[in-house]
Amino acid sequence: GQQVMQIPQYQHVQEGEDFTTYCNSSTTLSNIQWYKQRPGGHPVFLIQLVKSGEVKKQKRLTFQFGEAKKNSSLHITATQTTDVGTYFCAGCGRGAQKLVFGQGTRLTINP
Amino acid sequence: GEEVAQTPKHLVRGEGQKAKLYCAPIKGHSYVFWYQQVLKNEFKFLISFQNENVFDETGMPKERFSAKCLPNSPCSLEIQATKLEDSAVYFCASSQSGGQGNQPQHFGDGTRLSIL
Repeated sequence: GQQVMQIPQYQHVQEGEDFTTYCNSSTTLSNIQWYKQRPGGHPVFLIQLVKSGEVKKQKRLTFQFGEAKKNSSLHITATQTTDVGTYFCAGCGRGAQKLVFGQGTRLTINP
Repeated sequence: GEEVAQTPKHLVRGEGQKAKLYCAPIKGHSYVFWYQQVLKNEFKFLISFQNENVFDETGMPKERFSAKCLPNSPCSLEIQATKLEDSAVYFCASSQSGGQGNQPQHFGDGTRLSIL
């Protein structure tokens, strides 16, 4: 079945440094979504990418969808302590009927 | 309502007992999803509903887990004869029509199930 791998599993940075998490699917995706889960909280939808090679920005966050629609990345510029949490990608395979979540990347920040 | 409401927030059961969790999706959302999140943060899909109909149950351990979404009632997830390995946070999410995988999912706060 469809698998979504996410790396790294953990990332610790100094405040102000950049952060990137990568997501790779075993199959071509129709779309990919990104979620953020704060410690002790629930996942919150950030964005959805649909088109091959799509790039979307939300303030300091940049989301990319690969040309082959099998990988995606989330890049945060100049991290702030409010960025702490676990970032999940979730992909929907072509013709599939559900989202498959990656394992998440847990981001911690040294102020 | 405007939020997915899950109850209870925390549920403690002895091994072998039954556990029942509830979820009220956002009004107007047609799809409901149940996920299990264990300590490693990995989300395991359990089951989804389209209104009151099971849409996808490929993630359900069928021998002990069951779920329902009945009209005018909260959805429920029930675990019979609980095991220690069932300890996890169970999240419910809902999405609008067309939510097979191309609509944002709105998550509740989760129910933390502790099996002793």
